[in-house]
Amino acid sequence: EVQLVESGGGLVQPGGSLRLSCVASGFTFSNYDMHWVRQATGKGLEWVSGIGTPGDTYYPGSVKGRFTISRENAKNSLYLQMSSLRAEDTAVYYCAKRGSGPFIYMDVWGKGTTVTVSS
Amino acid sequence: QSVLTQPPSVSAAPGQKVTISCSGSSSNIGNHYVSWYQQLPGTAPELLIFDNDKRPSGIPDRFSGSKSGTSATLGITGLQTGDEADYYCGTWDISLSAWVFGGGTKLTVL
Repeated sequence: EVQLVESGGGLVQPGGSLRLSCVASGFTFSNYDMHWVRQATGKGLEWVSGIGTPGDTYYPGSVKGRFTISRENAKNSLYLQMSSLRAEDTAVYYCAKRGSGPFIYMDVWGKGTTVTVSS
Repeated sequence: QSVLTQPPSVSAAPGQKVTISCSGSSSNIGNHYVSWYQQLPGTAPELLIFDNDKRPSGIPDRFSGSKSGTSATLGITGLQTGDEADYYCGTWDISLSAWVFGGGTKLTVL
């Protein structure tokens, strides 16, 4: 069974840092691009970052320079290092796998981990 | 403001059909395939449609997708109360070099 399990969420003060992890199973992790997507309470989905199989990374303007996505294929793991956190970064963070084929879509999602930025 | 525009809500009676629109531009929908995601209350999103009109295994054929120019549409026939959820469209934006989602549409089955 293809599965993604996130961890590392918690309460952090504004300006602080946090590292999220996502462990993959049931597929060859190194063969797929991966993404992080977040959702604030009562709000829509927001793409946070993506990483290709060679390690190329992509970010939206809202987190560029503050968040760093990385992967460790030997451990089937995806990471999101978040720094200079703000209240507006409070959300559930989902790890998602890119689907097969030439076009981008996300075919498997984890259950999410909650990040709360508050003093 | 989302790059992709969806109606905030739609509603229809059980057994009826509903469509959800997703409007974008030449830098996103006009240049890349669209996918749709269903998020049931309190759960993670799930892939519903990919490559504009393809269904993953396990998704019933009551769900369909289409794309024309810079807009995409999700169709759901034979509505069931279990279809009540938030629905999101998504695609890659070549100008932003970023994945973009629509703002989401809440489906109510009356």
